[in-house]
Amino acid sequence: QSALTQPRSVSESPGQSVTISCTGTSSDVGHYNYVSWYQQLPGEAPKLIIYDVSKRPSGVPDRFSGSKSGNTASLTISGLQADDEADYYCCSYEGNYIGVFGTGTKVTVL
Amino acid sequence: EVQLVQSGAEVRKPGESLKISCKGSGYSFTTYWIGWVRQMPGKGPEWMGIIYPGDSDTRYSPSFQGQVTISADKSISTVFLQWSSLKASDTAMYYCARRFTAATVDSWGQGTLVTVSS
Repeated sequence: QSALTQPRSVSESPGQSVTISCTGTSSDVGHYNYVSWYQQLPGEAPKLIIYDVSKRPSGVPDRFSGSKSGNTASLTISGLQADDEADYYCCSYEGNYIGVFGTGTKVTVL
Repeated sequence: EVQLVQSGAEVRKPGESLKISCKGSGYSFTTYWIGWVRQMPGKGPEWMGIIYPGDSDTRYSPSFQGQVTISADKSISTVFLQWSSLKASDTAMYYCARRFTAATVDSWGQGTLVTVSS
């Protein structure tokens, strides 16, 4: 049960797009279509932004999108805005009602 | 509105015991699994375990099995996380969160900061 691998940081200018990868194994990301993504602002609890690989909860802008190929899931943020600056974590189901989170990616808006 | 309200920050010495709580409201408490997530300073979240308050069915992540105990009291809509002997490495923020599907959680408590220091 090792943490999923994410890039430590990504940065881009406002209005541009960034894509964050989340690499697991054939036992987690590759096995289940149950990858979720969370946004965490400093000092706050994480907030769900994508679930079941590509679904968005009510209220989450469609600038956030998710996908998966093999053992790697991805989160894309389009039309980057200043308030998108945060830490982002992926999470995959592992079975038995338990999940595994990613190492986290800090998004910086230049 | 779904709310998970956690107990306040705690400071303990190594070897001491501790029990923190998470009270749910605004939804049918007994029909949603509640998980506990650890976040150590500057690190990512980690799944600890999860409980179904309806019948107290509990599952643990292998890394936390035997290290903590998760329990629930449905009469007061509250789940608990407890340690029998804390270590300095247990210093972290602990969140409870409501399971939505699979390992996805859709509502989080505000977090309980646990500091273990001699």
